[in-house]
Amino acid sequence: QQQVKQSPQSLIVQKGGISIINCAYENTAFDYFPWYQQFPGKGPALLIAIRPDVSEKKEGRFTISFNKSAKQFSLHIMDSQPGDSATYFCAASMLGGANNLFFGTGTRLTVIP
Amino acid sequence: EAQVTQNPRYLITVTGKKLTVTCSQNMNHEYMSWYRQDPGLGLRQIYYSMNVEVTDKGDVPEGYKVSRKEKRNFPLILESPSPNQTSLYFCASSPLGTTQDNEQFFGPGTRLTVL
Repeated sequence: QQQVKQSPQSLIVQKGGISIINCAYENTAFDYFPWYQQFPGKGPALLIAIRPDVSEKKEGRFTISFNKSAKQFSLHIMDSQPGDSATYFCAASMLGGANNLFFGTGTRLTVIP
Repeated sequence: EAQVTQNPRYLITVTGKKLTVTCSQNMNHEYMSWYRQDPGLGLRQIYYSMNVEVTDKGDVPEGYKVSRKEKRNFPLILESPSPNQTSLYFCASSPLGTTQDNEQFFGPGTRLTVL
C-alpha cells in the first residue's frame, strides 16, 4: 500500500515554464516532507523539505506548497531548465519514525529547450 | 569526501546463487537503510538499521538479509536470489537525532539482474 501518492508519472515542460508535481498522504502522523531529485545513473539527493508548521518553502526556483488540511503537498519548479530534467520523488516521515522515509512513485520530468 | 559507496555497481547472476551487495559510509551515521527502486513503484524500503547490531524490516524484506556489525558497513544479502529481485538497489545513511531534518545520503546504486 502506497503511503504517499504522487502524480503525474511523467511531465514534459518547455524551457522557462513551470513544472508542478503533486503528492498526497493519508497518515496524519507524517510531519516531515522532503523532495528528492535523481539524475540518471545516480542516487537520489535531497532537494528541498518542509515541515507542516509552514505552508510554503522556497529555495531558489524550487518551492514546496503544503496544505495540511487537504494532506497534500506539491513541488513547483519555476523557470524550468533542461538541467532540471530528472526524476523527482516526494517522501514523508514521522517524528520518532527512525528516519524512515515513505516515498512516492516518482515523476520523470523532461524540460525541452 | 563524504559519501556512501556500494559494490558492485552492476551484477548479473542466476537464480539461487547467494550474493552480497556491500554498502559503506564514511560520515559516522547511525542510520542506514536499503531500498529497491522499480519502475512505477518508486523507492521501497527493504531493511534499515538504527545502529550497530540493530536492524529491522522495512516494507519489502522477503528474500533479503542484512547485518550491521560495524557502524560504517551495512551489507545486503540475497541468500537465494530469484528473478523478481531484479531491481536497482540503493543504500542510504543519515545521522539519527531528535530533529526531523535528517537528510538521507544515497549511494550510486547497484543494478542487479537475476536470470
